[in-house]
Amino acid sequence: SQTIHQWPATLVQPVGSPLSLECTVEGTSNPNLYWYRQAAGRGLQLLFYSIGIDQISSEVPQNLSASRPQDRQFILSSKKLLLSDSGFYLCAWSVKEGLLKNTEAFFGQGTRLTVV
Amino acid sequence: DQQVKQNSPSLSVQEGRISILNCDYTNSMFDYFLWYKKYPAEGPTFLISISSIKDKNEDGRFTVFLNKSAKHLSLHIVPSQPGDSAVYFCAARVFLTGGGNKLTFGTGTQLKVEL
Repeated sequence: SQTIHQWPATLVQPVGSPLSLECTVEGTSNPNLYWYRQAAGRGLQLLFYSIGIDQISSEVPQNLSASRPQDRQFILSSKKLLLSDSGFYLCAWSVKEGLLKNTEAFFGQGTRLTVV
Repeated sequence: DQQVKQNSPSLSVQEGRISILNCDYTNSMFDYFLWYKKYPAEGPTFLISISSIKDKNEDGRFTVFLNKSAKHLSLHIVPSQPGDSAVYFCAARVFLTGGGNKLTFGTGTQLKVEL
């Protein structure tokens, strides 16, 4: 069966410090990978998605970047965190299917990031 | 530009009654619609989905209805149970060439099922 691991679960970082959140998927190959953020009182915002190694698409301009060095590894990074980067970060994966075939995304447990 | 909207931030329902959660969208390119359930400090879990070529999909206590002309979908939970209390997110999928796809989420509705 497929599993998704995301760590750490919680993180408190000072403003201006770097960030690296890691996500790995097991039990599948060539998945689509995603990074979402849920800010306080808001919905899930798609930050990045990837359909393959080194293929990253950014949805919103921001202080963050993403990389996919291996097929089942997705990393969210920042060189210098801002207060506004605080939130609940979620990694997700889905299989690749054709048009009109459902491909629900499966989420990790999330990382609560607090920038102080 | 919020392409998927859940206009009710919260809903309170008595146990055993029907819960109806609503969602509106603007993008005609969405080809699948999904509902997720989320507990605090956890990732969302998939509940049920519907293709854009269908108008109803049922799975146990959960039924999703799609009205394409109105660009509206709803999730019905009946009978509602206390364990259903959670935040429910509506999501819509865009299929990308190359086998990629991405989900756009609404802002969520907090459902509280009371005894």
